[in-house]
Amino acid sequence: DQQVKQNSPSLSVQEGRISILNCDYTNSMFDYFLWYKKYPAEGPTFLISISSIKDKNEDGRFTVFLNKSAKHLSLHIVPSQPGDSAVYFCAASLRGAQKLVFGQGTRLTINP
Amino acid sequence: GAGVSQSPSNKVTEKGKDVELRCDPISGHTALYWYRQRLGQGLEFLIYFQGNSAPDKSGLPSDRFSAERTGESVSTLTIQRTQQEDSAVYLCASSSRQATEAFFGQGTRLTVV
Repeated sequence: DQQVKQNSPSLSVQEGRISILNCDYTNSMFDYFLWYKKYPAEGPTFLISISSIKDKNEDGRFTVFLNKSAKHLSLHIVPSQPGDSAVYFCAASLRGAQKLVFGQGTRLTINP
Repeated sequence: GAGVSQSPSNKVTEKGKDVELRCDPISGHTALYWYRQRLGQGLEFLIYFQGNSAPDKSGLPSDRFSAERTGESVSTLTIQRTQQEDSAVYLCASSSRQATEAFFGQGTRLTVV
């Protein structure tokens, strides 16, 4: 049972444009959501998070949106830069627990 | 070091052998996780330790897999009688009780031949 899903395995975006990565979840008890970025041969690094009491969190070029009714979150990167090319994972955790459930990842390629 | 450290970084083993992977979490982090990533796949949860509580072993794929952690320090993941399908990058992460963000190590790439 895949509780966190990233339905797009890959995404290609022009440098300078907006990148939008999507994530859906099935468990309405999830109350904290995170995005991680992973380069080849490295471990994932934390990017940005959002609590279920919010619907938007912004950090520089990165903004995460949460739509609880749709059980959907998205990561917006604007403007996209070549260094943003990586695999992006969304993750969710349950109230009171810290175990993270990850999606399958989306490979983002930024074209010059 | 300040980050999560995993060893070895690469391991090639023969089918049927046992392997032991090590994780040194960030000092003071009470939570420790093991995940694995097979080629072309997402992050698959294996096991989660939180302080002195009983670990959540719900992700371990078979009884050939086991993990230990002493207190809030080092953890070892042991795979007995390795199979080719065990080939993957094994990732360890840790987090503090106050935070939910987990910090990952660089992973151990296991290849079973």
